Amino acid sequence: NAGVTQTPKFQVLKTGQSMTLQCAQDMNHNSMYWYRQDPGMGLRLIYYSASEGTTDKGEVPNGYNVSRLNKREFSLRLESAAPSQTSVYFCASSDGGLNTGELFFGEGSRLTVL
Amino acid sequence: KQEVTQIPAALSVPEGENLVLNCSFTDSAIYNLQWFRQDPGKGLTSLLLIQSSQREQTSGRLNASLDKSSGRSTLYIAASQPGDSATYLCAVRPIDSWGKLQFGAGTQVVVTP
Repeated sequence: NAGVTQTPKFQVLKTGQSMTLQCAQDMNHNSMYWYRQDPGMGLRLIYYSASEGTTDKGEVPNGYNVSRLNKREFSLRLESAAPSQTSVYFCASSDGGLNTGELFFGEGSRLTVL
Repeated sequence: KQEVTQIPAALSVPEGENLVLNCSFTDSAIYNLQWFRQDPGKGLTSLLLIQSSQREQTSGRLNASLDKSSGRSTLYIAASQPGDSATYLCAVRPIDSWGKLQFGAGTQVVVTP
């Protein structure tokens, strides 16, 4: 029972390089999310996808793009990485509806931008 | 804007003592509140989810209460063990922006043998 799987787990980039973080869930959830976690800043939402075919900006979307490839997969792309994007990135998923919405997280992807 | 606060930021207790962790939020218009555990270098693990219509949830040694009117939730961990050492975070799911959960900064707990 894999839950939410993120790849890669670690990545080092140079300023200006691009990369894509991949996320897949096997819980048949409608909603998926990308967060970043930084010391002293807590967890901040980058983008989320309430259902397949929709995406919405979160608190810190600048410098990122997302793709909801299908119901299982939600990717996060950094087009031109900056040192300020050094962080731990978490993907999460939840089911929809008014009386559910329990959030499940992946193990995280540690990104360093030099 | 919904704000979620967890006090204290850090807590150290001897093994066997009960843990009481607090979470407060400013807007009572929430769908649910969720408690998580995070171990160093790991992702967040869901502990308990309390729907807005519920007053408490229990799982093993864990019990979480919710008082929406006062904007508070409390997580109780009975008979703490060294393995309970971790950071505990709470998050609320607002009614007016379902996808945008608000997280507290967490309480770092150390249980000493």
